[in-house]
Amino acid sequence: ILNVEQSPQSLHVQEGDSTNFTCSFPSSNFYALHWYRWETAKSPEALFVMTLNGDEKKKGRISATLNTKEGYSYLYIKGSQPEDSATYLCAPRSNDYKLSFGAGTTVTVRA
Amino acid sequence: DAMVIQNPRYQVTQFGKPVTLSCSQTLNHNVMYWYQQKSSQAPKLLFHYYDKDFNNEADTPDNFQSRRPNTSFCFLDIRSPGLGDAAMYLCATSRKGRGGTEAFFGQGTRLTVV
Repeated sequence: ILNVEQSPQSLHVQEGDSTNFTCSFPSSNFYALHWYRWETAKSPEALFVMTLNGDEKKKGRISATLNTKEGYSYLYIKGSQPEDSATYLCAPRSNDYKLSFGAGTTVTVRA
Repeated sequence: DAMVIQNPRYQVTQFGKPVTLSCSQTLNHNVMYWYQQKSSQAPKLLFHYYDKDFNNEADTPDNFQSRRPNTSFCFLDIRSPGLGDAAMYLCATSRKGRGGTEAFFGQGTRLTVV
């Protein structure tokens, strides 16, 4: 079982500020790390899939880094906007394709 | 065009009456997942298929079964639904391969047990 921890559970950000949060996972049996954006009443949408230690990926104002040796990933939001309000889920994928989600970090951007 | 389609979108079933939820995909992906999602909790993995290889999570109740007759279709059978099984059920698919690939989710089926 891939135990995934995300912190903080929730955070409030002022519009225009930048923020970041963490996903930690066991480094054994690791194959890939997924990040998803999830809005209530919708299905999760993929942001990034990262596989290599040291990977950095960017999509607009959102970026992510990966450290597979120590088992953590950071997600960064630069210049937060109200539309960034959502729950951000990380999910490590094992080499048998198991994909288990963490509890998520809920971001609320205040205008 | 929807690539992962779940039917029905809403399902009401009686306590103890078997119910089947379906998922189909046009992506020809080898991997399919079923998740249970309650209120505002994160999706909980029930089981997944890698081609025809079935992988059941240790804490998935025996009440939940799955079938995958071919690449395109996957079913979730709940043999005797209880009130605690009311939830959103999400199906997702991904492509196998050396590189990590994202999962594509269906719109979900919201199950109500009365």
